Amino acid sequence: DIVMTQSPDSLAMSLGERATISCKSSQSLFFSSTNKNYLAWYQQKPGQPPKLLIYWASTRQSGVPDRFSGSGSGADFTLTITSLQADDVAVYYCQQYYLTPWTFGQGTKVEIK
Amino acid sequence: QVQLQQWGEGLLKPSETLSLSCVVYGGSFSGHHWSWIRQSPGKGPEWIGEINHNGGTDYNPSLKSRVTMSVDTSQNQFSLRLSSVTAADTAIYYCTRVLDRWSQLSAFDIWGQGTMVTVSS
Repeated sequence: DIVMTQSPDSLAMSLGERATISCKSSQSLFFSSTNKNYLAWYQQKPGQPPKLLIYWASTRQSGVPDRFSGSGSGADFTLTITSLQADDVAVYYCQQYYLTPWTFGQGTKVEIK
Repeated sequence: QVQLQQWGEGLLKPSETLSLSCVVYGGSFSGHHWSWIRQSPGKGPEWIGEINHNGGTDYNPSLKSRVTMSVDTSQNQFSLRLSSVTAADTAIYYCTRVLDRWSQLSAFDIWGQGTMVTVSS
């Protein structure tokens, strides 16, 4: 199975600051024939199911604010939240869909300092 | 607007069979694959498997020997059975829609509300 490792496990930032979450996979998620990285990001608030934010590593899902952005390629990816809002307090997960079984990271908890 | 509504038994004894169902409201049932995902308290989600409208399945090898998924296209429903449960199967179980399996886009864009399943003697 592809192992997804996120860092840090948690971070606390002030309102308006930039938050950066790293996700590393145990093998490359880049498929040369499609020129795409098979990685998604989710946001999960307490008591709710995960919400899809980004797929293909950098494509925002419809309705997701543009302060959320994804970057990276191969086995090293980043989710950035520019100008952190109170509503962004949540746990964030990365997920690979390059090879079954699809696997998720362990999560990064984002809090307001 | 597509919605998933799920139901099933929430308290099981060890060795019993977990059974959950999920109905799809709105959108195209046959145009998507449908997955089950579970999440143990404080952990990342775990993909259990997926099914398409023809009944074709793909299961997580770690659970394959105990998992059965089925589909009822006349009711826009799909179901999960997990046999011989133990305490390790205690988790919130979600039904989900695969965004676009035909384009290899196996991210999950629509989720059910979740069912907390507890296995305890």
